[in-house]
Amino acid sequence: NAGVTQTPKFRVLKTGQSMTLLCAQDMNHEYMYWYRQDPGMGLRLIHYSVGEGTTAKGEVPDGYNVSRLKKQNFLLGLESAAPSQTSVYFCASSYSTSGYEQYFGPGTRLTVT
Amino acid sequence: QQQVKQSPQSLIVQKGGIPIINCAYENTAFDYFPWYQQFPGKGPALLIAIRPDVSEKKEGRFTISFNKSAKQFSLHIMDSQPGDSATYFCAASMGGNTPLVFGKGTRLSVIA
Repeated sequence: NAGVTQTPKFRVLKTGQSMTLLCAQDMNHEYMYWYRQDPGMGLRLIHYSVGEGTTAKGEVPDGYNVSRLKKQNFLLGLESAAPSQTSVYFCASSYSTSGYEQYFGPGTRLTVT
Repeated sequence: QQQVKQSPQSLIVQKGGIPIINCAYENTAFDYFPWYQQFPGKGPALLIAIRPDVSEKKEGRFTISFNKSAKQFSLHIMDSQPGDSATYFCAASMGGNTPLVFGKGTRLSVIA
């Protein structure tokens, strides 16, 4: 049981390049989330999904797109990376919202130069 | 309405001390209040959680105190150890399809 895994662990992009971050969970969770973590800003929700084929915007969705084509996977895309997107990105999953633990992945450290 | 305000931003205590981290919320629809612990280079992990129908919950050295009328809750760490040094996040949720709302985090350092 791997829990929540994220690919890649580290990435350096140049401004304007695109990339996709992959999150996978093997716990059959309905809910999946993408957060970014910046110093002093805590965890900010980018997008989330309440089930396969659904996505919704979080607190800071601009510049990001997501897809949930399979229940176990949640993809985060950056179409044209900007230095302001330099951050640590965490994926999480949960059985439901209130009362259920969110399981976090190990994070992806992204630097945009 | 959706915010959870956490304080302090950072905290340094001596080994054996009792650090206290406080959180306040406005939305009375919140019905679940978890705390997450994050070690450097790792993702956050659930530490302890409480519902508003109880005023206190203990798990080992960790205690949540909940004051429903004041809309505040706090985390106490008894007999703190250097291994407790981490960032702690409070959070709140109201169920349905609404995601957790996180506080901005408290970086705790326990020095020997």
